[in-house]
Amino acid sequence: AQSVTQPDARVTVSEGASLQLRCKYSYSGTPYLFWYVQYPRQGLQLLLKYYSGDPVVQGVNGFEAEFIKSNSSFHLRKASVHWSDSAVYFCAVSGITGNTGKLIFGLGTTLQVQP
Amino acid sequence: GGIITQTPKFLIGQEGQKLTLKCQQNFNHDTMYWYRQDSGKGLRLIYYSITENDLQKGDLSEGYDASREKKSSFSLTVTSAQKNEMAVFLCASSIKNQDTQYFGPGTRLLVL
Repeated sequence: AQSVTQPDARVTVSEGASLQLRCKYSYSGTPYLFWYVQYPRQGLQLLLKYYSGDPVVQGVNGFEAEFIKSNSSFHLRKASVHWSDSAVYFCAVSGITGNTGKLIFGLGTTLQVQP
Repeated sequence: GGIITQTPKFLIGQEGQKLTLKCQQNFNHDTMYWYRQDSGKGLRLIYYSITENDLQKGDLSEGYDASREKKSSFSLTVTSAQKNEMAVFLCASSIKNQDTQYFGPGTRLLVL
């Protein structure tokens, strides 16, 4: 079955610290992988996506993620977080093999950045 | 660029009531989606539509109807609101089935 697991429901870090939000997926075909961010009372905004090629993809606001096929992971990283990064982060997977456009989302990780 | 507009922003209904949520996009995207977001349960797909007048059921379609009368708009109807129901309904669109989805700000539903 296709699924996305974000094992950390909540992560708290200090401003200026580095960040890693974990994501593992289960998908039988070739996955497209996404990270979205949701700020309070807003919709989801795309941070970055991976289709193919270089396994390290750069996104907006200094975020990056690394696709590790052997580990079925797509962890999100940032070298130095800012208080404005506090939000909910969703990892998602879609596919190109018999898929009809559905994104499978993880449950999200709430990031709190402390001053 | 483009934008997705969802109306209303807040919706308060009564148990058993039929409630309609509307979504408009000016991206000229082919595919549109409705998701339900519940606290602790992530996003679940209710319906999607790959073109005008097309409807496809998602994982959570029971209790909902949808309508895609125009390429730019996609409506969702809660056929019978459940008491104490509280959720956010998110509309999204994309160029084609497997491409990046762009989301609207959401409609927040509360059923008394």
